[in-house]
Amino acid sequence: GESVGLHLPTLSVQEGDNSIINCAYSNSASDYFIWYKQESGKGPQFIIDIRSNMDKRQGQRVTVLLNKTVKHLSLQIAATQPGDSAVYFCAEAAGNKLTFGGGTRVLVKP
Amino acid sequence: ETGVTQSPTHLIKTRGQQVTLRCSSQSGHNTVSWYQQALGQGPQFIFQYYREEENGRGNFPPRFSGLQFPNYSSELNVNALELDDSALYLCASSTRSGSRPYNEQFFGPGTRLTVL
Repeated sequence: GESVGLHLPTLSVQEGDNSIINCAYSNSASDYFIWYKQESGKGPQFIIDIRSNMDKRQGQRVTVLLNKTVKHLSLQIAATQPGDSAVYFCAEAAGNKLTFGGGTRVLVKP
Repeated sequence: ETGVTQSPTHLIKTRGQQVTLRCSSQSGHNTVSWYQQALGQGPQFIFQYYREEENGRGNFPPRFSGLQFPNYSSELNVNALELDDSALYLCASSTRSGSRPYNEQFFGPGTRLTVL
């Protein structure tokens, strides 16, 4: 079946350091891969997406890498800030359906 | 602020009851998707509505049903509530484009449903 999973449930990072969140996926037919940030009491917030025919995409302080050979997706956050503390989900889109992974909690230490 | 609103914010029901959750999509968006998020887990796709018709469904029983109205707002109805239905229910709106298989979904804050 289709599934998206994460290797690390919790990531603790020092403020100012870079964060890397990893995700494994299983559906080779997915069109897009997306990273969401979810803060307590809020819905998921779009961070960045990458189309399946790309291997890297950069945004503001974030970079997403896609390795289709090993079905691996990662999100890199540069100079992590206290406001980055949240749960991060990767999701894959096959047509109009999003399949989410279980999430990684990022804790930023001052 | 995404512009997607949901009501109510919180709701408590008992087993066997029925519930209706509401979602107003972001201005200009014609597609609404509903997700169930259990505590500590990622959202699970329930179904999507486009042009007032169901356009894809996840692995949820028929007692989960929905509607979309001409103004693109939507309702999620759950009949015969079970304890396991306790979760955060999220709706997400997007603009469907025929030239692109996936369109960015903007999520609302969710409705927290507790079934006792």
